[in-house]
Amino acid sequence: QVQLVESGGGVVQPGGSLRLSCAASGFTFSTYGMYWVRQAPGKGLEWVTFIWYDGSNKFYADSVKGRFTISRDNSKNTVFLQMDSLRPEDTALYYCAKDSRMGSGPYYFEDWGQGVVVTVSS
Amino acid sequence: EIVLTQSPATLSLSPGDRATLSCRASQSVSTHLAWYQQKPGQAPRLVIYDVSVRATGIPDRFSGSASGTDFTLTITSLQPEDFAVYYCQQRNVWPLTFGGGTTVEIK
Repeated sequence: QVQLVESGGGVVQPGGSLRLSCAASGFTFSTYGMYWVRQAPGKGLEWVTFIWYDGSNKFYADSVKGRFTISRDNSKNTVFLQMDSLRPEDTALYYCAKDSRMGSGPYYFEDWGQGVVVTVSS
Repeated sequence: EIVLTQSPATLSLSPGDRATLSCRASQSVSTHLAWYQQKPGQAPRLVIYDVSVRATGIPDRFSGSASGTDFTLTITSLQPEDFAVYYCQQRNVWPLTFGGGTTVEIK
């Protein structure tokens, strides 16, 4: 079965950096696009970024463009989110999610991890 | 950016009732719309994709439909496990966007 396990969250000061990881198993990782989606405390869902199955294309929400970078290592079945210049409004539960179909995408968020908490506060 | 407006914000119903959730898109999303269910403390779960296709393991009491830019998720005969927050989401245009959610609560 598909398993997605996020790690790397924590508390960071405004302007700081964090790197999230999402370890995937139970499917052929190198054939699926991957997403990061976040949810601020008590709020709804916000798509953050998406990377193609081969890493050749990446897409970002305007709210994080230029500050966050998605990447993947298909040899390690892991997707990363490098978060720089963090702001208090980036405080959220960050989910990694697998695309619903093989190939370029985007399609839909079919499988989700349990999320990792990022808190940006001084 | 495509704005998805969900209504009502909260739906108070009893087990066995029929739930009708709405999602209106600010412009065409073609058939590229999905619904997700989220229970407290859990990750979202894909329920319906491409307007009306049930995701794996989703019971047939869940159905989706569309009329232009208006989308509906219907749950016939609500079960206790169906009380949750539901989000619609479009993938037709970047950026991918979600609606604000509808909470289906026990009356």
